[in-house]
Amino acid sequence: AQSVTQPDIHITVSEGASLELRCNYSYGATPYLFWYVQSPGQGLQLLLKYFSGDTLVQGIKGFEAEFKRSQSSFNLRKPSVHWSDAAEYFCAVVPNTGGFKTIFGAGTRLFVKA
Amino acid sequence: GAVVSQHPSWVICKSGTSVKIECRSLDFQATTMFWYRQFPKQSLMLMATSNEGSKATYEQGVEKDKFLINHASLTLSTLTVTSAHPEDSSFYICQTRATSGRIQETQYFGPGTRLLVL
Repeated sequence: AQSVTQPDIHITVSEGASLELRCNYSYGATPYLFWYVQSPGQGLQLLLKYFSGDTLVQGIKGFEAEFKRSQSSFNLRKPSVHWSDAAEYFCAVVPNTGGFKTIFGAGTRLFVKA
Repeated sequence: GAVVSQHPSWVICKSGTSVKIECRSLDFQATTMFWYRQFPKQSLMLMATSNEGSKATYEQGVEKDKFLINHASLTLSTLTVTSAHPEDSSFYICQTRATSGRIQETQYFGPGTRLLVL
């Protein structure tokens, strides 16, 4: 079945440590790929997106993500986490079949400890 | 980037009343608008897709008679929660798609409307 999987419900990292949030998708053709961040009680903010081309994508706030076709993954990374990065992170895909519906992963809650 | 607004940003209502939520694309024409619902500590789930001038398409399990969607213009879509009940309390978010149809012009989300039904 077509799906977007974020295997980690929550992750805790120390401030200044590196971060990697996992995302896997299951679609016949590579979909369009996105990462969003949502602070409590707030809307979505787009961190980065991948449509085609260079598989390493740079985003805002120092985030990057790497598309790996062989692993059907689009993991989000940040070399040094700040306390303000604590939030909910959603991986999302738009299937490359027209319609442009966005399918969201379940989300990963990031906690940052001092 | 494009701006999408939602009104109201939050609303509290009594059980049994109807609530209308507006979604506006402020600087481009949106052929299609999507409505999502997000329950506390959960992800966003697509409720329906509305196309300007035609009936909305609802996802499986979403009651079309309860969640009325009107997309009367290229800049405005409304979601009306009819006879709201406490289980309808949620965060409702709209997303717009520009008339160009390019993937680059589809990821515009509104700030969301938080609905609390007492």
